[in-house]
Amino acid sequence: DQQVKQNSPSLSVQEGRISILNCDYTNSMFDYFLWYKKYPAEGPTFLISISSIKDKNEDGRFTVFLNKSAKHLSLHIVPSQPGDSAVYFCAASGGGGSNYKLTFGKGTLLTVNP
Amino acid sequence: DTAVSQTPKYLVTQMGNDKSIKCEQNLGHDTMYWYKQDSKKFLKIMFSYNNKELIINETVPNRFSPKSPDKAHLNLHINSLELGDSAVYFCASSRQTSGGPQYFGPGTRLTVT
Repeated sequence: DQQVKQNSPSLSVQEGRISILNCDYTNSMFDYFLWYKKYPAEGPTFLISISSIKDKNEDGRFTVFLNKSAKHLSLHIVPSQPGDSAVYFCAASGGGGSNYKLTFGKGTLLTVNP
Repeated sequence: DTAVSQTPKYLVTQMGNDKSIKCEQNLGHDTMYWYKQDSKKFLKIMFSYNNKELIINETVPNRFSPKSPDKAHLNLHINSLELGDSAVYFCASSRQTSGGPQYFGPGTRLTVT
């Protein structure tokens, strides 16, 4: 029962272009969404988050968009840099008694080519 | 100045042994977590403690026992290790229990032979 889905296992973009990573969720109780970046042999690093009361949050080169009606969020990275190459995880929390429990997607491997 | 640290980073042991993984955070956070990343790469929560009190206990075998001596530490003890316990275990912490980002440690790769 995957409540958070990242349907693209990998994405390859050219340096300087935009990277768009997508995430879908099924649990309508989720009200807080996060993106994490992970390098091999390291722990996930928090990138950016968005609350369900917003539809956009921006932090430097990173922007997260939330479409609640479609239960979809996306992470835009622009311009993409080779150092952005990593696995990106979408995560969600909210609702019920365990509203601080993060449910993760399976991740998307982003490769930014110089 | 690692914010969330775990030891050891790698752990290789035989079936049936008992082992512990330690986690410490210096962020002043109240809540700590253990996650497991299995062979399919899914990160799944196992436990959460808030101020030394257990608040999440997912369907984890009781061979796994977390212990929080203080709010800066959350250790994971595993009894009678099985092959299926092989995974990467991540510790995390957050400032509050009701949402907010969680900050992860570097992970401990456990291999049971």
